Amino acid sequence: DQQVKQNSPSLSVQEGRISILNCDYTNSMFDYFLWYKKYPAEGPTFLISISSIKDKNEDGRFTVFLNKSAKHLSLHIVPSQPGDSAVYFCAAFAPRGGGADGLTFGKGTHLIIQP
Amino acid sequence: ETGVTQSPTHLIKTRGQQVTLRCSSQSGHNTVSWYQQALGQGPQFIFQYYREEENGRGNFPPRFSGLQFPNYSSELNVNALELDDSALYLCASSLGGVANTGELFFGEGSRLTVL
Repeated sequence: DQQVKQNSPSLSVQEGRISILNCDYTNSMFDYFLWYKKYPAEGPTFLISISSIKDKNEDGRFTVFLNKSAKHLSLHIVPSQPGDSAVYFCAAFAPRGGGADGLTFGKGTHLIIQP
Repeated sequence: ETGVTQSPTHLIKTRGQQVTLRCSSQSGHNTVSWYQQALGQGPQFIFQYYREEENGRGNFPPRFSGLQFPNYSSELNVNALELDDSALYLCASSLGGVANTGELFFGEGSRLTVL
């Protein structure tokens, strides 16, 4: 039973345009969400996060939107750059549990930025 | 500042054997967690160690065990290897306890192949 779902295995976007990566979750206990980026042969690196008390968090070209009623979040990258080509993982977390349950990850979306 | 380092980077074992994977956490971090990433999947939480004690565990059998040492480095041990244990094993460090916001710093991983 997947609690965090990324339904698009891959996404191709033209350089300079907006990339939108989507993520859905089923567990109402999750109240903190993160996006990680992974290049081949490297470990995932933290990109941006959002707490459930917010509906938007912005950091430079990256913005994460959270819709709690729909249990949906999205990552917007604008403008998209060639270096953004990577696998993006959505992850969820319940800090009220003291963090001992770890992160629950989706399967990832492979973003390809075309010149 | 030294990042998370893992060893070995690649290894091949046969079914039934035992394996030990090692991880040095990032300077200043007292929590280490381990994740298994099978091909085409997102990382799955195995367990977490905080101040040398396991304080969280995912849905993995007891043949997956670990240790955390006083310098916060860690080991993951897997006994009686099965073919399905073939995966990338990721170690991540963080500042733990209730202050943990879920932001993890990952190593590059150890790729285990079980034949």
